[in-house]
Amino acid sequence: AQSVTQLGSHVSVSEGALVLLRCNYSSSVPPYLFWYVQYPNQGLQLLLKYTSAATLVKGINGFEAEFKKSETSFHLTKPSAHMSDAAEYFCAVSGGSNYKLTFGKGTLLTVNP
Amino acid sequence: DVKVTQSSRYLVKRTGEKVFLECVQDMDHENMFWYRQDPGLGLRLIYFSYDVKMKEKGDIPEGYSVSREKKERFSLILESASTNQTSMYLCASSLLNVGGRDNEQFFGPGTRLTVL
Repeated sequence: AQSVTQLGSHVSVSEGALVLLRCNYSSSVPPYLFWYVQYPNQGLQLLLKYTSAATLVKGINGFEAEFKKSETSFHLTKPSAHMSDAAEYFCAVSGGSNYKLTFGKGTLLTVNP
Repeated sequence: DVKVTQSSRYLVKRTGEKVFLECVQDMDHENMFWYRQDPGLGLRLIYFSYDVKMKEKGDIPEGYSVSREKKERFSLILESASTNQTSMYLCASSLLNVGGRDNEQFFGPGTRLTVL
């Protein structure tokens, strides 16, 4: 069975500041991990995914995430926040032969001018 | 690019009405999913389908049914809409990935349903 915990339902940063969104997972098999972004009134869009190649994964819009097996974490970062990054972010895990994704409850990112 | 479309962006229905939400994908994906999204609860899986005419219950199937008569189309049906079904409904699709774990899903834009 898999599960995802996103620490912090709401994160607020200033424009230009570091963005750090936390995700911890639980999986009985080596996981594949995903970050999705949802802009207001839109569907989810894939930001990046970890599929057991490199532990540091680069995604779109300057985001990256690092897979840390020892910490069961897959935190999302961006060095400098932009106003356009304001959105809700979801971490998800899949594992085994099950084709479902298990999503976290999401983190709403607010960027202040 | 994978494209997943949903029949309506916004929908307003009355209590007791039968409601159909349609989803179409154009990339020949085997798997299709229906989620509802509510503030603070994230995405919850209602139903999914891994083949034509095949379906499996998700975490919250009560009050919903689905239909998949063609590979590209997956419909969500609210037999008798109730106010607690007011929500954002998201459709997604993915490739059949037997034995693998890269279950990336592609999402439609969502349908915001209000039941009065």
